[in-house]
Amino acid sequence: DAGVTQSPTHLIKTRGQQVTLRCSPKSGHDTVSWYQQALGQGPQFIFQYYEEEERQRGNFPDRFSGHQFPNYSSELNVNALLLGDSALYLCASSLWGLAVYNEQFFGPGTRLTVL
Amino acid sequence: QKEVEQNSGPLSVPEGAIASLNCTYSDRGSQSFFWYRQYSGKSPELIMSIYSNGDKEDGRFTAQLNKASQYVSLLIRDSQPSDSATYLCAVSMEYGNKLVFGAGTILRVKS
Repeated sequence: DAGVTQSPTHLIKTRGQQVTLRCSPKSGHDTVSWYQQALGQGPQFIFQYYEEEERQRGNFPDRFSGHQFPNYSSELNVNALLLGDSALYLCASSLWGLAVYNEQFFGPGTRLTVL
Repeated sequence: QKEVEQNSGPLSVPEGAIASLNCTYSDRGSQSFFWYRQYSGKSPELIMSIYSNGDKEDGRFTAQLNKASQYVSLLIRDSQPSDSATYLCAVSMEYGNKLVFGAGTILRVKS
């Protein structure tokens, strides 16, 4: 049973560039959430996708956008990169709905460094 | 006031002892509560979830929830050096909703 996968593992970009991160959820899951984790902090919620629509969004600017594909995989796009965007980007997969055990499982993350 | 608060630590315990990790949250509408373990340089790993007041045990781990006091805790019995990690408390208002994390507590188990 494949777990959550993310690519790439590491990425180095310069200020002003654009980046795309990818995520495939755990087998059987249909919902993908993206989080940003700065060093020494807990993950911060960016947004969540279900049925190819953004369902909820955290306090992040429009430079952060996403997409979900029919196979439930997802992309996170960040435009006009700033130094402060350097962080670990985490994808979490889960099942949509009011299921009692609606737990989120994280992928290995993508470490983004902006120079 | 932060939505989810944890003592940053580090919390140091000797091998074989009980480690007690605490978390408070501000939103009384919170429904689901989770503990994640994160090793340095790795992603968070879900170790416990709890939804009702009281205790929930899984192996060496016990999660405790008190919604009236807005308090969640994690007990690790017979602590091992391999338990040394950052423990993240996460709270969700509705099932399937976004997770709000605390900053994490660093646990160090000394052999």
